[in-house]
Amino acid sequence: GQQVMQIPQYQHVQEGEDFTTYCNSSTTLSNIQWYKQRPGGHPVFLIQLVKSGEVKKQKRLTFQFGEAKKNSSLHITATQTTDVGTYFCAGNTGGFKTIFGAGTRLFVKA
Amino acid sequence: NAGVTQTPKFRVLKTGQSMTLLCAQDMNHEYMYWYRQDPGMGLRLIHYSVGEGTTAKGEVPDGYNVSRLKKQNFLLGLESAAPSQTSVYFCASSRDSSSRDTQYFGPGTRLTVL
Repeated sequence: GQQVMQIPQYQHVQEGEDFTTYCNSSTTLSNIQWYKQRPGGHPVFLIQLVKSGEVKKQKRLTFQFGEAKKNSSLHITATQTTDVGTYFCAGNTGGFKTIFGAGTRLFVKA
Repeated sequence: NAGVTQTPKFRVLKTGQSMTLLCAQDMNHEYMYWYRQDPGMGLRLIHYSVGEGTTAKGEVPDGYNVSRLKKQNFLLGLESAAPSQTSVYFCASSRDSSSRDTQYFGPGTRLTVL
């Protein structure tokens, strides 16, 4: 079945360092969504990418969708303590179900 | 506008007991979902509904039942709880098909089965 793999599982950074999480699908995706979950909280939608090669930015966050629409990345520039949490990608193949990656948990040391 | 709410927030059950988790949304969304979240496994879809009176199985439906008698409510039932069902349960809703639309999540229910 369709799988969405996300790496790394954990990442510890010093405040001010950059952070990247990668998402890879076993099948071509129609779109991909990114969510953030703060510790003890619930997933909150960040962004959706639809087009091949698409790049979107939200302040210090940069999201990319691969040319083949099978991979995606989230890059955070100059991390802050408010960035802590788990970042999930969620892929769709055009059907109904969204398949979530296992998430990357980000720890930021002040 | 409360968004998506879930009750209860926490629950401890003994093996074999039953319970119902309630999800309510006030956004008039057509689609509703139940997920479970386990460490290192992300979110896995249990059941979903594409409208009032409809339900369908997701990725891990065994041991759970659902009902959507009213558009704003989506209930998740555990008939005979097992320790493997210890998890955090999230309800979500979306205006349209999840393949195109944002999902809004509730705060979650932490369930422990002893």
